Amino acid sequence: GAGVSQSPSNKVTEKGKDVELRCDPISGHTALYWYRQSLGQGLEFLIYFQGNSAPDKSGLPSDRFSAERTGGSVSTLTIQRTQQEDSAVYLCASSPQGTGADTQYFGPGTRLTVL
Amino acid sequence: GENVEQHPSTLSVQEGDSAVIKCTYSDSASNYFPWYKQELGKRPQLIIDIRSNVGEKKDQRIAVTLNKTAKHFSLHITETQPEDSAVYFCAATLGYKLSFGAGTTVTVRA
Repeated sequence: GAGVSQSPSNKVTEKGKDVELRCDPISGHTALYWYRQSLGQGLEFLIYFQGNSAPDKSGLPSDRFSAERTGGSVSTLTIQRTQQEDSAVYLCASSPQGTGADTQYFGPGTRLTVL
Repeated sequence: GENVEQHPSTLSVQEGDSAVIKCTYSDSASNYFPWYKQELGKRPQLIIDIRSNVGEKKDQRIAVTLNKTAKHFSLHITETQPEDSAVYFCAATLGYKLSFGAGTTVTVRA
């Protein structure tokens, strides 16, 4: 079946502009995660959605970052007033239930470059 | 929160030799330890995982071991091939959160 998809694959923006990144999880997966991967680094947790529960936003680096998940499916990560340090690959993952031993399946990522 | 450390950061091996990557974690409550492989420009892909009630798991040329007492786990790749060249990430799960190591860049020399 279809895997996790993300759009756009690449985004170049100017400092100070807002950007929206989209994630389409695997159909039926209740849990959705966003991660940030800076060049040569590991994956940094940003936010977690599980069904209709309140999201865990503890990984968002500043109040310029926000995310929503509509209808328990598609998610959008928004970065306002982008800064150069926001340049990274933003990865989305989904899992069937979001429990501790649940495999997370990753999307291809969006490479964000802030000039 | 959980803290995962991964070593080495880079590893170069001759084709046919073995590769070993080691990770440690900080929270003894972590109970699930997946390993992901990420090829250049591609998404991370799960290659093997182990749960805290198991000490070792093997899948063809890949094996993972877990020492809960010492809070460390390792990935072993035997008979390495050029297609094994990639970045490998270990991770530990505390609740629903995955904490990742910084990654190991493995290069298999032909």
